[in-house]
Amino acid sequence: GAVVSQHPSRVICKSGTSVKIECRSLDFQATTMFWYRQFPKKSLMLMATSNEGSKATYEQGVEKDKFLINHASLTLSTLTVTSAHPEDSSFYICSASNRGGLASEQFFGPGTRLTVL
Amino acid sequence: GNSVTQMEGPVTLSEEAFLTINCTYTATGYPSLFWYVQYPGEGLQLLLKATKADDKGSNKGFEATYRKETTSFHLEKGSVQVSDSAVYFCALSTNTGNQFYFGTGTSLTVIP
Repeated sequence: GAVVSQHPSRVICKSGTSVKIECRSLDFQATTMFWYRQFPKKSLMLMATSNEGSKATYEQGVEKDKFLINHASLTLSTLTVTSAHPEDSSFYICSASNRGGLASEQFFGPGTRLTVL
Repeated sequence: GNSVTQMEGPVTLSEEAFLTINCTYTATGYPSLFWYVQYPGEGLQLLLKATKADDKGSNKGFEATYRKETTSFHLEKGSVQVSDSAVYFCALSTNTGNQFYFGTGTSLTVIP
């Protein structure tokens, strides 16, 4: 099956620093990638949708200048949390699709646990 | 709007017990419904899905039936195993877009 990896799996950073999270589709070309955020005991919430070679589409309430998304190739998307604050601490999950983002074709990464001190 | 409500866990069962995890939804239009499973340290994996009313999704002994009249998609398994221990997410996707709406997840632990 399709495999999606994320790196790092865990990261701890100081307040005010920036953190980059990578999402890679290992055995297929991902035309669309999605970034989700999960709070403890809460649902996964879609943050943004990115298509290769174009700007990401952010969900309402998500600061695009704070959560920078780049989808420069068909196998890699990155999420950069800029000037991180403790309230950014969360579990970030990406998913990838090679069928234009149809719901049944999304494959999820294992997630990245971000802790901001 | 669109939302999914899932029974809260954690759920602890003995091996070979019957499992039900309740899921109800609110949606505009005609959504597709999914169950995803997340094993420790791994990503979400599609367990089963149903795309229209009365469809039954099934996989690995798990089943769920798309009930439009009760807006439900409850997950069931007749005899759970220790290897079924994981977090289970109910989700919907509207047919007009590609966004998932997830439930909060239900942690299942099966003890020998």
